[in-house]
Amino acid sequence: DAKTTQPTSMDCAEGRAANLPCNHSTISGNEYVYWYRQIHSQGPQYIIHGLKNNETNEMASLIITEDRKSSTLILPHATLRDTAVYYCIVRPTYSGAGSYQLTFGKGTKLSVIP
Amino acid sequence: DSGVTQTPKHLITATGQRVTLRCSPRSGDLSVYWYQQSLDQGLQFLIQYYNGEERAKGNILERFSAQQFPDLHSELNLSSLELGDSALYFCASSVAGGGVEQYFGPGTRLTVT
Repeated sequence: DAKTTQPTSMDCAEGRAANLPCNHSTISGNEYVYWYRQIHSQGPQYIIHGLKNNETNEMASLIITEDRKSSTLILPHATLRDTAVYYCIVRPTYSGAGSYQLTFGKGTKLSVIP
Repeated sequence: DSGVTQTPKHLITATGQRVTLRCSPRSGDLSVYWYQQSLDQGLQFLIQYYNGEERAKGNILERFSAQQFPDLHSELNLSSLELGDSALYFCASSVAGGGVEQYFGPGTRLTVT
């Protein structure tokens, strides 16, 4: 699996957009970018994933650069409940065989400040 | 609530003992994954089962074993426990062997004294 690089920590003011970057310069053509988050020792929670197009769901938006070497997770209006560790993970697309476990790095600790 | 349940929530035991952690996946999910989270190692994949069969192994010690039963629930057995086995143990499930989304349970916190 390609490795990812994320900042160790970030702060964001409550109500503002939180932009979390991720570098995955060695990503392969068949690998998706996934984002999960973990709120204080709870089980990790899936946020969003994408291949090459920008994606949006009810939780966040994912912007992937055209060369796919980096991406940004955007939480449009951060709240205190968004304080968590955010993990950027790359993983091959499912092809019916093999294993697709998640390889977590250290992630970015996002602190939303009142 | 992810729909994945894990029992017990907390477990305190002594070195050398054996424990069993239980996981019930979301209804309809065939794949179960076990992860360990310790302070120094972060979240690490241990093992995956798909529809009752072992699919992949990660950094799982020989003292640890797991199985998935016909009703799809899974158990992780940890034996000859050491202080370093103290960690959070998470179970996750997905629809298929490589489900896009893995749904994580609340975890079992194991403390070995």
